[in-house]
Amino acid sequence: QKEVEQDPGPLSVPEGAIVSLNCTYSNSAFQYFMWYRQYSRKGPELLMYTYSSGNKEDGRFTAQVDKSSKYISLFIRDSQPSDSATYLCAMSVDNAGNMLTFGGGTRLMVKP
Amino acid sequence: DAGVTQSPTHLIKTRGQQVTLRCSPKSGHDTVSWYQQALGQGPQFIFQYYEEEERQRGNFPDRFSGHQFPNYSSELNVNALLLGDSALYLCASSFFGVNSYEQYFGPGTRLTVT
Repeated sequence: QKEVEQDPGPLSVPEGAIVSLNCTYSNSAFQYFMWYRQYSRKGPELLMYTYSSGNKEDGRFTAQVDKSSKYISLFIRDSQPSDSATYLCAMSVDNAGNMLTFGGGTRLMVKP
Repeated sequence: DAGVTQSPTHLIKTRGQQVTLRCSPKSGHDTVSWYQQALGQGPQFIFQYYEEEERQRGNFPDRFSGHQFPNYSSELNVNALLLGDSALYLCASSFFGVNSYEQYFGPGTRLTVT
């Protein structure tokens, strides 16, 4: 079993829809949670990061962490075709520069 | 402000050969991590360099080695290439210390082993 699980998709939604992307994890030591966006044949781009449980909002993006359930989410409001990409969740046990553990990624397609 | 740069962009090698990939970190960053991303998978951590030393290592064999230079740039070397080494190799840079979990990735080097 992988430490971080993510539904691979693809997830197809119409433009303007609210998108929910999720990851589950098994290692209770994870404290820092990140979401990356990766366009085809490009490197991952850091979207958001959160520490411990709670919500964080940045424009159309909201990240949620529920450590009790070992479950994190990324919500995208008013989705745009330019949001079409693979979304990767990543986690770290501390902020001392330790390795990131990634999920397998969810491919999102937003149709005009 | 230049982001993370990697070279070459693409590379084709034959089984058994050796390869060297290069990375220059984002300005102000002093730590470089390398990841391997197989097609359709998430990145897997290979190792991390800080102060010219390997600080952490993932579950990769000794065929994978690296180096960090005084200007913080880094190289990844892979010996005795296998078909399974075909992947996108990503370099990520960060600043060691507070918020160092924020890693910024380069565009990657796509390695094909035939």
